Amino acid sequence: GAVVSQHPSRVICKSGTSVKIECRSLDFQATTMFWYRQFPKQSLMLMATSNEGSKATYEQGVEKDKFLINHASLTLSTLTVTSAHPEDSSFYICSASRSSSNIQYFGAGTRLSVL
Amino acid sequence: RKEVEQDPGPFNVPEGATVAFNCTYSNSASQSFFWYRQDCRKEPKLLMSVYSSGNEDGRFTAQLNRASQYISLLIRDSKLSDSATYLCVVPQRPAGGYNKLIFGAGTRLAVHP
Repeated sequence: GAVVSQHPSRVICKSGTSVKIECRSLDFQATTMFWYRQFPKQSLMLMATSNEGSKATYEQGVEKDKFLINHASLTLSTLTVTSAHPEDSSFYICSASRSSSNIQYFGAGTRLSVL
Repeated sequence: RKEVEQDPGPFNVPEGATVAFNCTYSNSASQSFFWYRQDCRKEPKLLMSVYSSGNEDGRFTAQLNRASQYISLLIRDSKLSDSATYLCVVPQRPAGGYNKLIFGAGTRLAVHP
């Protein structure tokens, strides 16, 4: 199967700081990458979809100025949580898919705790 | 109606038991479906794809009923290692948009000795 690497796996930060999360497809070119958020005992909620070289498409209710997504290459997408607050504490997971495929391969996730 | 609905469980079963989960979906145009498995505090991992009436992989069988808009997952001879949350996933493609996955809330399975 395809490998997606996500880094860091755990972040603890103070309120007001910005946090950057990286998502890399290691052995394939990811046409599309996805960013999800999962709160405890809830399902994954899609935050945004990004394609290499174009602006991300955000889901309703997700602030694009707060969650900055950059998809600079076919193997790397980054999510920056700007001015993080305690309510942003969550499990953030990225995934990547090949062209025209519905199958998504997930990174191991980043657990963000904002104090 | 939610786009993808699952019984949250938990299903507590002994080793060796057969257990089945159902999932209903609202979009009748959906063509393919997935079951993912998610362990506690980990990322989801693809378990099975379902493109036609069903799919079988060892102890796992997925079935699709398009008329009733539900997908089932059957696990035979349960192992302790099967304990996890099973996510029913339905791809969608909004008009003019990109393929995206709609996740159910998951069904929790606990297999005990």
